Amino acid sequence: EVQLVESGGGLVQPGGSLRLSCAASGFTFDTYWLTWLRQTPGKGLEWVANINAHGSAKHYVNSVEGRFTISRDNAKTSLYLQMDSLRPEDTAVYYCATHYNWAFDYWGQGTLVIVSS
Amino acid sequence: QSALTQPASVSGAPGQSITISCTGTSSDVGAYDYVSWYQQHPGKAPKLMISEVTNRPSGISTRFSGSKSGNTASLTISGLQAEDEADYYCSSYGSSITYVFGTGTKVTVL
Repeated sequence: EVQLVESGGGLVQPGGSLRLSCAASGFTFDTYWLTWLRQTPGKGLEWVANINAHGSAKHYVNSVEGRFTISRDNAKTSLYLQMDSLRPEDTAVYYCATHYNWAFDYWGQGTLVIVSS
Repeated sequence: QSALTQPASVSGAPGQSITISCTGTSSDVGAYDYVSWYQQHPGKAPKLMISEVTNRPSGISTRFSGSKSGNTASLTISGLQAEDEADYYCSSYGSSITYVFGTGTKVTVL
């Protein structure tokens, strides 16, 4: 059974940093693209970033380019999202998901990030 | 990229069929057959229902089907059941190796 478990969310002040983690199991981790997505009540679902199986290709939505960094550790079957220079508009539930055939087939339960003073 | 446009709400009686539209542009929905649909119940993570416009993942009921014409994709739920009451989102691959989601549709079973 595929399992994705996010952690690392919390309350942070504007301009601060957080590192999200996603622990994966139940599939051949080092053969899958992986993705971070986020959801807010106001803006709905948003794709944030993805990374290829070996970590050599990374893509970001314009609004986080230069502030967020996606990475993975295939030995630890874990995905990460380093979030710097956080803004109030980054407040959301962040999900990690597997990425296959241009769709997001398995999702974690999400971790809440609140950016507020 | 702008969000794909979906109706805010769609409703139907048990057993009926409903269709949810998802309108994009010639740079996303119209350009690629990479539209997917997700079901989300309150407090839960989204669940993939349809990929690549028409493909159902293993375990997804045949009551769910997808289609596309031009810049608009559609999800049809036939034989509507109480458990289908949820929010539904479309998504499309777009330009510059990015993905865009729809605004979301709340499905109500009357």
